Amino acid sequence: AQTVTQSQPEMSVQEAETVTLSCTYDTSESDYYLFWYKQPPSRQMILVIRQEAYKQQNATENRFSVNFQKAAKSFSLKISDSQLGDAAMYFCAYRSPSTGANSKLTFGKGITLSVRP
Amino acid sequence: EAGVAQSPRYKIIEKRQSVAFWCNPISGHATLYWYQQILGQGPKLLIQFQNNGVVDDSQLPKDRFSAERLKGVDSTLKIQPAKLEDSAVYLCASSLSAGDYGYTFGSGTRLTVV
Repeated sequence: AQTVTQSQPEMSVQEAETVTLSCTYDTSESDYYLFWYKQPPSRQMILVIRQEAYKQQNATENRFSVNFQKAAKSFSLKISDSQLGDAAMYFCAYRSPSTGANSKLTFGKGITLSVRP
Repeated sequence: EAGVAQSPRYKIIEKRQSVAFWCNPISGHATLYWYQQILGQGPKLLIQFQNNGVVDDSQLPKDRFSAERLKGVDSTLKIQPAKLEDSAVYLCASSLSAGDYGYTFGSGTRLTVV
């Protein structure tokens, strides 16, 4: 079974600075998807960024980018120019590329990010 | 496009009572998921539907939890009887198909069992 580990429960960053959130995972599959989700107090999970394991190029979405190290099974999220609205819980998640019963997301425990004005 | 609708937003019940949560997915989304998120943890899948059929319910405590998705559209998750450890946020999500990674989540129902 796949597991996702987020070992940092909390992090804090100064507004306009850069912060990196860490995530490691364990799997025996060679192809898979990795995600970072943001969960604000409204509780709705919002997709931040997605990475396909077969792609060597790291995904980027505006101020958000990832450092995907497949051999090390590491998937960190970098937030540049942090804004007050970035404060939230962030979850790393894994998904098998298969359909059916293996299409579920497996989440880490999450990290609480606070942004200091 | 309307999002995934869930109700109620909050619910407080006493242990051994029953409770039901409702989810209306995005129109046309064939796959529907119910996740349980206990405080301080990431969401865990309870049950996955493909249209009105169950694909995965291996993590559903079937002695007390039940779920249905009649007509392959909206879904209901029920707990009877509730235990203190059922206190959690219950999230519903939907996607076009099981192979589609474009999940959309609802805002969840926060259940407190006292």
